Amino acid sequence: KNEVEQSPQNLTAQEGEFITINCSYSVGISALHWLQQHPGGGIVSLFMLSSGKKKHGRLIATINIQEKHSSLHITASHPRDSAVYICAAPSFGNEKLTFGTGTRLTIIP
Amino acid sequence: NAGVTQTPKFQVLKTGQSMTLQCAQDMNHEYMSWYRQDPGMGLRLIHYSVGAGITDQGEVPNGYNVSRSTTEDFPLRLLSAAPSQTSVYFCASSFTVGQAAGYTFGSGTRLTVV
Repeated sequence: KNEVEQSPQNLTAQEGEFITINCSYSVGISALHWLQQHPGGGIVSLFMLSSGKKKHGRLIATINIQEKHSSLHITASHPRDSAVYICAAPSFGNEKLTFGTGTRLTIIP
Repeated sequence: NAGVTQTPKFQVLKTGQSMTLQCAQDMNHEYMSWYRQDPGMGLRLIHYSVGAGITDQGEVPNGYNVSRSTTEDFPLRLLSAAPSQTSVYFCASSFTVGQAAGYTFGSGTRLTVV
């Protein structure tokens, strides 16, 4: 089973700050997922990446396959970015994902 | 709107009762899966399906059954509810598995077993 660890568990920042959330996994993978869970509980898929970097608006995800490490960055953070961010990596083939426990991000106006 | 529809949103069961959590998607996705989310733990896979008629167990399958008679529907059955099954349940689907697949999640079902 792929072990997935995220850090930090909780992160509070001021509006406008640059945010970094980290994810490490134990077994080589084909792709890693980043998800966002809203305060109301809904889960949205943000990125799936297998190499390099992807960008969507103010969100940037990077992955280093050799280091088994991925980061999610948020530029010019805003209170609406407050959510739990979750990374997930495949185990036992692509059909099964192992999820990290999430990083709870709070952006203060 | 296209997406994954889960029902009910909330449910309270007594120990020993059975029930079915419904999940339906209208995106013609082949892959569907059920997860449970418990405090302090990541989402854990219960069962999954790679197509109609095909299901397999995930990480925590005990006490749950699934079937996939159509591409659209993937119900999760609790056979005899136990307090340990109190959790939030999410259904998710994707077009396929592999590098190009992103997941669409349902809104979740909060289940309490008393």
